[in-house]
Amino acid sequence: NAGVTQTPKFQVLKTGQSMTLQCAQDMNHEYMSWYRQDPGMGLRLIHYSVGAGITDQGEVPNGYNVSRSTTEDFPLRLLSAAPSQTSVYFCASSPHGGRLGETQYFGPGTRLLVL
Amino acid sequence: RKEVEQDPGPFNVPEGATVAFNCTYSNSASQSFFWYRQDCRKEPKLLMSVYSSGNEDGRFTAQLNRASQYISLLIRDSKLSDSATYLCVVNNNNNDMRFGAGTRLTVKP
Repeated sequence: NAGVTQTPKFQVLKTGQSMTLQCAQDMNHEYMSWYRQDPGMGLRLIHYSVGAGITDQGEVPNGYNVSRSTTEDFPLRLLSAAPSQTSVYFCASSPHGGRLGETQYFGPGTRLLVL
Repeated sequence: RKEVEQDPGPFNVPEGATVAFNCTYSNSASQSFFWYRQDCRKEPKLLMSVYSSGNEDGRFTAQLNRASQYISLLIRDSKLSDSATYLCVVNNNNNDMRFGAGTRLTVKP
């Protein structure tokens, strides 16, 4: 049982490049989400999904796309990277979402630098 | 104004001290509340959920005041291993989790 895994751990991009951050969970959780964490800002929700085929925007969705074709995977795509997207990205999952008082389980994070 | 506000600290306390963190939230429709712990360069991990009646887990006590939209965390008999950043988390009823920026705690020998 690996929990929530994320790849890559580190990435350097040039402005305008695209990339996909991978996230997978093996706990059969319905709810998955992506956050970014910046100094002094806390974690901010980018996108989330309450089940396969369903996604919704969070607090800061601009510049990011997501899809949820399977329960296990929830990739985050940057279509045209900008320096403002330099951040640490965390993926998380929970059985049904924190509204039921459930724990969210976080992946180890991806550190992204956009030059 | 941020939806979840915390004193950023840092709080520097000696071992054995009692320390309290406060958090306020702005959305009165918020449904569930948590404290997470985050170690340096690591992912957040749940410390405890916060219930309306207040709850305790060993040296940790969490309180919720819905009328004042205020959450607190009390740590008694601080240990060196308690050094971390403590995140206040509020869940709105639309699956939208909001995090505070965190309060940094350093416990010194």
